[in-house]
Amino acid sequence: QVQLVESGGGVAQPGRSLRLSCAASGFSFSNYGMHWVRQAPGKGLEWVALIWDHGTYRSYADSVKGRFTISRDNSKNTLYLQLNSLRAEDTAVYYCAREPQPNYFDSWGQGTLVTVSS
Amino acid sequence: SYVLTQPPSVSVAPGKTARITCGGNNIGRTNVHWYQQKPGQAPVLVIYQDSDRPSGIPERLSGSNSGNTATLTISRVEAGDEADYFCQVWDGSGNRVVFGGGTKLTVL
Repeated sequence: QVQLVESGGGVAQPGRSLRLSCAASGFSFSNYGMHWVRQAPGKGLEWVALIWDHGTYRSYADSVKGRFTISRDNSKNTLYLQLNSLRAEDTAVYYCAREPQPNYFDSWGQGTLVTVSS
Repeated sequence: SYVLTQPPSVSVAPGKTARITCGGNNIGRTNVHWYQQKPGQAPVLVIYQDSDRPSGIPERLSGSNSGNTATLTISRVEAGDEADYFCQVWDGSGNRVVFGGGTKLTVL
């Protein structure tokens, strides 16, 4: 069965960096676009970034553009999100999600919590 | 930027029908997807491409989309349907995914 497992969350000070990972299994990872979506405590869902199946196209939300980088290693079945210049407003649970067809999500990981605080 | 508007909350008695709306400019011209999220859990896709149901989603859940409003309809509501529901579209002009603010469904 499809499984997505995020890791790498934790507490970081403002201005610092973190790298999140999403390990995929149970499907042919290299055939799917992948996304990161986040959810601040008690708030709604906010899309963060997407990357096409072979990494040839990436897109970002305005709120993270220039600070976050999405990437993937298809040989390792792993999706990444590099978070730089972290701000308090980046505090959220970060989910990775699979895109079976353009731009919706049929499988989600359990999420990893990022807390930005001094 | 494209904005999706959902009512913050909807309440319904068990066995009745709940309708959760998602408003957006000419939303009927694009595909709308719906997710259910229960406390402490990841979202689950319940409707995709306006009205299709993934396997395992009961027929009681249905979707429609026309004009400026998409609607998720839950018939014969059960206590287990209590959750937050989010609509979602792709904004082609901005090359980004857009979520509605979410609707909390309360079963009375």
